[in-house]
Formats: sequence, structure tokens, C-alpha cells
Amino acid sequence: DTAVSQTPKYLVTQMGNDKSIKCEQNLGHDTMYWYKQDSKKFLKIMFSYNNKELIINETVPNRFSPKSPDKAHLNLHINSLELGDSAVYFCASSRHPHTDTQYFGPGTRLTVL
Amino acid sequence: KNEVEQSPQNLTAQEGEFITINCSYSVGISALHWLQQHPGGGIVSLFMLSSGKKKHGRLIATINIQEKHSSLHITASHPRDSAVYICAVGSSGDKLTFGTGTRLAVRP
Repeated sequence: DTAVSQTPKYLVTQMGNDKSIKCEQNLGHDTMYWYKQDSKKFLKIMFSYNNKELIINETVPNRFSPKSPDKAHLNLHINSLELGDSAVYFCASSRHPHTDTQYFGPGTRLTVL
Repeated sequence: KNEVEQSPQNLTAQEGEFITINCSYSVGISALHWLQQHPGGGIVSLFMLSSGKKKHGRLIATINIQEKHSSLHITASHPRDSAVYICAVGSSGDKLTFGTGTRLAVRP
């Protein structure tokens, strides 16, 4: 059974479109995260949620809107996609915020043309 | 300057060699993580430590809180160890800050 799953794995779209990436974890964790990995493989946190409440919101454009319908899901919606949004987006989860071991999803490679 | 510095950035080793990857950080932390990212892209957490030393199979992680330094050692390296190794640090209640990673290639 996959612990942290993301869909889709690949996403190719045109500039200006709106797209969503879904994430689900079956580990019973309270905390979920979205990370962005750029072309140089540098990971940076975007958002984290604990018990469905937003606890970290880094300086991310407000075109990015996370939504956590329940503790097991954290989706990422992106409006008006730009070329610079092309990256790999990773979802992760942990029992408690930030200092617990984090379990990562397989990543979603977003390409904006 | 990144708060988390890793060295070396790239490392090539022959199978069987002992490998050390270093991580230095400039902030107070409550935990340090070592992650492994395979060529296929998946990220796996290897260790989380706040003091001393941890061992898992051929991997050993150490941390010196006073010196703000951690090392990841791989004994008897194997081509399947080829990956990017990422150090990340976190303070209680705060986000993880990641290093830029060390790309390791182990040749048969």
C-alpha cells in the first residue's frame, strides 16, 4: 500500500491554465506539506497543514492555494500558471509538525509551456 | 549564504569505498534529517537525529550539536547507493530548511 500518493505524476499544460495536484496519505498523520523542487534539485517548503489548519505559508504567490478537506488529504490548486511554476512538487506527511520523520509522495512533475 | 551547507556537492566513488557526506548549519535546531533522492526522483527519509549517532545497515549518521555539524557515512558503498543525499534541519515548530544536496555516483 502506498503511504503517500500524488496524482498526477506528470502534468503538462499551457501558460495561463489552472491545474490541481492531489495528495493523500494513509499513515494517520496529522501534518501534511507541499514542497517545490526546482531544476537545481533544491527543495523548499510551500505550505504545511496540521489537523487541516494552515500552519506554514511561505512566500508563495497567491495563485497557489492549498486545500485540506480532511487530515488525509492536501490538494494544491494553481491558477494562471506561469513558466516559472515548472518544477517537481512533492507532498509529504508526518505525525507532528516539522521535526518528525517525513514521508514523501512520488512527486508531480509540472511542465508549463 | 544558505543556512544549510553540504559538502561535497558531487562525489564519485568506486564500489566498496567508505563515503562521507558533510552538513553544516548556522541556526539552532531541534532535529536534523538526512534524505535520499533516487535517480527516479523518489525521496526517502534515512535518519532523523538530534544528538549522537544512528546506524541503519551500512549507513551511519552522526551529529555534533555544539559544532553545528553532521556527517552521513556509507560503508562498503554499492552502485545502488547512487543518489542525491539531502540534509535538512528543523527547529521545534518551524519548517525544515534543506541543503542543496550531494550527488553521489558509485561506480562498479
